[in-house]
Amino acid sequence: NAGVMQNPRHLVRRRGQEARLRCSPMKGHSHVYWYRQLPEEGLKFMVYLQKENIIDESGMPKERFSAEFPKEGPSILRIQQVVRGDSAAYFCASSPATGGSGNTIYFGEGSWLTVV
Amino acid sequence: KQEVTQIPAALSVPEGENLVLNCSFTDSAIYNLQWFRQDPGKGLTSLLLIQSSQREQTSGRLNASLDKSSGRSTLYIAASQPGDSATYLCAINDYKLSFGAGTTVTVRA
Repeated sequence: NAGVMQNPRHLVRRRGQEARLRCSPMKGHSHVYWYRQLPEEGLKFMVYLQKENIIDESGMPKERFSAEFPKEGPSILRIQQVVRGDSAAYFCASSPATGGSGNTIYFGEGSWLTVV
Repeated sequence: KQEVTQIPAALSVPEGENLVLNCSFTDSAIYNLQWFRQDPGKGLTSLLLIQSSQREQTSGRLNASLDKSSGRSTLYIAASQPGDSATYLCAINDYKLSFGAGTTVTVRA
């Protein structure tokens, strides 16, 4: 049973370009979470999605960031017009049901974005 | 809003010594608490999950306790080894995870 798969693992973008980060949850998991870890900072919640629905996006910056989890295919975190401050590790996690049901939440290896 | 604090921020011990890592949280309305390990440049590995109805959970040399009334959890690692060197993160699950800043552990051979 493969774990949470994220790609790319490392991504370099120039300022103003777009970054797309993909996350395939564990098999059987329909709940996906995205977190951001800035250098020397802790993990911060960004968004919680179920298939085709955004449940909680309270941690998402209001502009340039969007996330989706379509019926088919991986979840996508999209960052438009990247700036140097977007350089961070972006982690995806998944669970079989809502985290509130007490399930373990599993994390991927992360995608490291560097904006130059 | 849930606030999670981990003390100390860093810890260095000689091999064989027991480790005690502390986590405190402000809102006791939680579903569960997870302890993770993160190695530099890597993702998170789940170590232990304690349900809100439980007082402790054990796995090998690891033991985690939970006291919801006081908003505290403690991770004990017995007989530390150099391979235990990593950052340990406490996360509170109130349907999504709220993380502490972590405790970076160095075990000296």
